[in-house]
Amino acid sequence: GESVGLHLPTLSVQEGDNSIINCAYSNSASDYFIWYKQESGKGPQFIIDIRSNMDKRQGQRVTVLLNKTVKHLSLQIAATQPGDSAVYFCAENPRRSGNTPLVFGKGTRLSVIA
Amino acid sequence: SAVISQKPSRDICQRGTSLTIQCQVDSQVTMMFWYRQQPGQSLTLIATANQGSEATYESGFVIDKFPISRPNLTFSTLTVSNMSPEDSSIYLCSVANTEAFFGQGTRLTVV
Repeated sequence: GESVGLHLPTLSVQEGDNSIINCAYSNSASDYFIWYKQESGKGPQFIIDIRSNMDKRQGQRVTVLLNKTVKHLSLQIAATQPGDSAVYFCAENPRRSGNTPLVFGKGTRLSVIA
Repeated sequence: SAVISQKPSRDICQRGTSLTIQCQVDSQVTMMFWYRQQPGQSLTLIATANQGSEATYESGFVIDKFPISRPNLTFSTLTVSNMSPEDSSIYLCSVANTEAFFGQGTRLTVV
């Protein structure tokens, strides 16, 4: 079946550098995508989202890019800090409506080297 | 946004026993979702819990193993029945508008 997946399972980044975490999706009907951060012992926390009618959205130190042509999603973290160390998941809403469960990618562990 | 409280936060259980996990939301929601996160892996949906009807289970999950209650619009429970070490995971409840909000999870270890 269709699924959301990730290219890189682990990523090590020097403190202060930019991080890029990638995600590939295969459900062309999905129109809403979210990035989550999960720290050890905690549930996933919302970082940023994007709808399919956009190709870029910026938050505080984070940017999400969406390329619908190749079904690719990325999360960019500027000036990565030790507190950014966590597992990051992309997720998609495949049914174009609220009150539906999200489909999660495999996750990328980001390690920030001080 | 929604604030979700889950308990217990962690437990160590003997095989063959059952554990009931509680999830409380600070607002009324139509649907609540239960996920399993096995060690080092992503989140897998177990079931969707609607108030007033039976939960809808995903492929690979059955009601006898994971019975769910949804007595009102702010509360749900998930029971992990007749546990084995393979059930050791983090169990998460979630509510969704478009984005999803999660509880802090219940880390279950079965010995």
